[in-house]
Amino acid sequence: EDQVTQSPEALRLQEGESSSLNCSYTVSGLRGLFWYRQDPGKGPEFLFTLYSAGEEKEKERLKATLTKKESFLHITAPKPEDSATYLCAVQAGSNYQLIWGAGTKLIIKP
Amino acid sequence: DGGITQSPKYLFRKEGQNVTLSCEQNLNHDAMYWYRQDPGQGLRLIYYSQIVNDFQKGDIAEGYSVSREKKESFPLTVTSAQKNPTAFYLCASEQGPYNEQFFGPGTRLTVL
Repeated sequence: EDQVTQSPEALRLQEGESSSLNCSYTVSGLRGLFWYRQDPGKGPEFLFTLYSAGEEKEKERLKATLTKKESFLHITAPKPEDSATYLCAVQAGSNYQLIWGAGTKLIIKP
Repeated sequence: DGGITQSPKYLFRKEGQNVTLSCEQNLNHDAMYWYRQDPGQGLRLIYYSQIVNDFQKGDIAEGYSVSREKKESFPLTVTSAQKNPTAFYLCASEQGPYNEQFFGPGTRLTVL
């Protein structure tokens, strides 16, 4: 069964303390892996798409990487405004539907 | 500005009522989606539409209905058959297969 698992469920960091969020997947025929940011009470905001193992993308303090089994979202020197829930989703095979992880709630303390 | 709008932001439903959630996009996207989000869970797909006048059931379609009469609009009706409708509902659109989806601001539905 296709599955996406995100870890940890929640992560508390001090401002400036770098860390990584994990998204592991078991699917057949990866088409794309998507990262989103979601603030409380709002719709998810698109961050990155990764298509093949070895691919990396960066945006400000965020860097997403992809292997054949998982993706990491690295956050460097985070600020309180980076606090949000980060969602990962995968598209695989001929299925247009996204398979979503449950998300990682990131809290950055000043 | 191009984007996706959802209305209302908050909606309250009494037992036995049908309610309709609005979703409009001006991105000229072909595909549109409806998701339900519950605390601590990933997004679950209710219905999706790849083209006007055509739509498919997602994983949790029971108790919901949709229409796609116009490219820009994809309303979702939550019927009285949906036994636990209290949730956050998200609409999304996508230019084509294997592209990123863009989301609206969501509608929070509460059953009184």
